[in-house]
Amino acid sequence: DAGVTQSPTHLIKTRGQHVTLRCSPISGHKSVSWYQQVLGQGPQFIFQYYEKEERGRGNFPDRFSARQFPNYSSELNVNALLLGDSALYLCASSLAQGLYEQYFGPGTRLTVT
Amino acid sequence: GIQVEQSPPDLILQEGANSTLRCNFSDSVNNLQWFHQNPWGQLINLFYIPSGTKQNGRLSATTVATERYSLLYISSSQTTDSGVYFCAARDDTGKLIFGQGTTLQVKP
Repeated sequence: DAGVTQSPTHLIKTRGQHVTLRCSPISGHKSVSWYQQVLGQGPQFIFQYYEKEERGRGNFPDRFSARQFPNYSSELNVNALLLGDSALYLCASSLAQGLYEQYFGPGTRLTVT
Repeated sequence: GIQVEQSPPDLILQEGANSTLRCNFSDSVNNLQWFHQNPWGQLINLFYIPSGTKQNGRLSATTVATERYSLLYISSSQTTDSGVYFCAARDDTGKLIFGQGTTLQVKP
């Protein structure tokens, strides 16, 4: 079975631009979470979606938004990119919200110049 | 909110040595996961361990939830064990709160 997939693998954007990152969960998983990992730190929680509804949001500005589609895949959107948004963006899937093991995709490495 | 602290921050071992990584968390948590992050950034699940002890090959983990810590043991380390090890505690909403990681380097 395929694991969590993310696209693109790498991305270079300019300050002020917009970016969309995509994630497909493991088949049968209905919850997707997004994390940001800057160099040298542990991942930080951004969003959690379950059954197409936002179920949790981390301490990130409104420039960050996400959605989940009927097939449970998800998009993370970041507007008005800043240099500080350069990071590895990780998507995790789990069977449902709550006490379920989370499995991570390979990540999208975003560089903002 | 929950805070997660890992120690040591860095660890250098000779191949074949054993090691213990520690994870402390500030409040009661619903669960705990250990991950190994490879050089390409992929987080690989090692253990999902709310309490008790689990073993998988040369790796084992123990969580003592009442005392708010978890330990990851690596025995007979190999160069392929190198990388960053994260523990992550799960809060009531289900989101993971990560520690800062332990960077392990195993020398041949």
